[in-house]
Amino acid sequence: DARVTQTPRDKVTEMGQEVTMRCQPILGHNTVFWYRQTMMQGLELLAYFRNRAPLDDSGMPKDRFSAEMPDATLATLKIQPSEPRDSAVYFCASGLYRGGNTEAFFGQGTRLTVV
Amino acid sequence: AQSVTQLDSQVPVFEEAPVELRCNYSSSVSVYLFWYVQYPNQGLQLLLKYLSGSTLVKGINGFEAEFNKSQTSFHLRKPSVHISDTAEYFCAVSGLSGGYNKLIFGAGTRLAVHP
Repeated sequence: DARVTQTPRDKVTEMGQEVTMRCQPILGHNTVFWYRQTMMQGLELLAYFRNRAPLDDSGMPKDRFSAEMPDATLATLKIQPSEPRDSAVYFCASGLYRGGNTEAFFGQGTRLTVV
Repeated sequence: AQSVTQLDSQVPVFEEAPVELRCNYSSSVSVYLFWYVQYPNQGLQLLLKYLSGSTLVKGINGFEAEFNKSQTSFHLRKPSVHISDTAEYFCAVSGLSGGYNKLIFGAGTRLAVHP
């Protein structure tokens, strides 16, 4: 049963610390999305990649957030330094882009709490 | 650019009653439309999708949705709900935006099914 795997599931960290969230997309998928979910803002698209290249990261605060795909089996989202307002659930989703649409399959999310 | 509006933030309904969750979108280009469901502490799961063809789309768990291009709507329906349908439902649109293919979500509708 193919699925998107995110680690860790939960992370509590102190303000100012670096946080790294990892995502293993479904094998064969060529698109990876990062979303942030909060009560106030809902699901916000932070960044997305196709064939490991970043296509759009306009939703991501550039001063502290960075997203990369070092290889086809790993996507990372880093926050440095973290702040309490970064507390949220971060979702990774992967999909196969074809013919103009991408159906996204979601991981279970990483619940980040910055204290 | 495209956007999605879910007209109801919460929908309470009694078990075995019908339900409709409303979704309107705006886009200057052809779109693909999706409904996802999120159970507590879970990621999002695809319910159904409209890519092309028949405007009435059937999905999992007895849900269906109708694409109405003239009204730019994609409302989700179920003729008889169960307690287990209690969850948050997200409408999403995918289409060319800025030359790329973003997947944008609405704010979500919380469906609460009461006995």
